[in-house]
Amino acid sequence: SQQGEEDPQALSIQEGENATMNCSYKTSINNLQWYRQNSGRGLVHLILIRSNEREKHSGRLRVTLDTSKKSSSLLITASRAADTASYFCATDYGQNFVFGPGTRLSVLP
Amino acid sequence: KAGVTQTPRYLIKTRGQQVTLSCSPISGHRSVSWYQQTPGQGLQFLFEYFSETQRNKGNFPGRFSGRQFSNSRSEMNVSTLELGDSALYLCASSLVREANIQYFGAGTRLSVL
Repeated sequence: SQQGEEDPQALSIQEGENATMNCSYKTSINNLQWYRQNSGRGLVHLILIRSNEREKHSGRLRVTLDTSKKSSSLLITASRAADTASYFCATDYGQNFVFGPGTRLSVLP
Repeated sequence: KAGVTQTPRYLIKTRGQQVTLSCSPISGHRSVSWYQQTPGQGLQFLFEYFSETQRNKGNFPGRFSGRQFSNSRSEMNVSTLELGDSALYLCASSLVREANIQYFGAGTRLSVL
C-alpha cells in the first residue's frame, strides 16, 4: 500500500502549546499536503510542500519534508481551541492521491 | 466564488437499494475526485474524473461508479448497497494546475440499514 502513516494517532495539548504531527510515506512523491477536518465535515487544505522543498511556513504552521526518510512533520505553534480537529497528510504520487489515517488533535482551553 | 456543493447532505437507505450522490465543483475546476471515509478504513480514494473521463480509479468493487458531465458536475452511484457502505462520501475538485490541491465539499453522510 502507498498509504502514509501519521503519528501520533491522537494528541491532547493545552492552549498556547505547540503541536507536532508526523507523516511517513512509502514511495517517491511529487508533493505532500496537509489538510484539516473538523468533526465529520469536509477537509480544508492547509499547506503544500513540493518534493524539492525542505520547509514551508504559513502563519502558525510550519511543515518540513525529509525525502531521504520519506517523512514530513506539521508544527502548529501557539495552539488555540479552534485548532481542535483531525489533521491528514496527503501524498501526491502523480497518478494517485493518498491520505494518511490522520492525527486527532484536541486543544484544551 | 462558491465552494464545492454536495447533495444530499444526509441519506438513509436499506440494503440492496441503490443511491446517487451529486457534486458541483468550484467554477472553473475540471477535476472531481470522490472519497469514502469510514472510522475503520479512513479516507479512501474512489475515482477521479477530468473532462468527463475517468482518469484514476481506487480499489473499490464495480458497484461503485461515477460520471462527470460537460459542466464538470459529477455524480457517484452505488448499486446494491451493503451495510459496509455506510460512510461519509466526500467530493473534491481541483484546478489541476494548482499542484492538485483538493477543495472538498461538506460530504454526504450515507447510512445503510
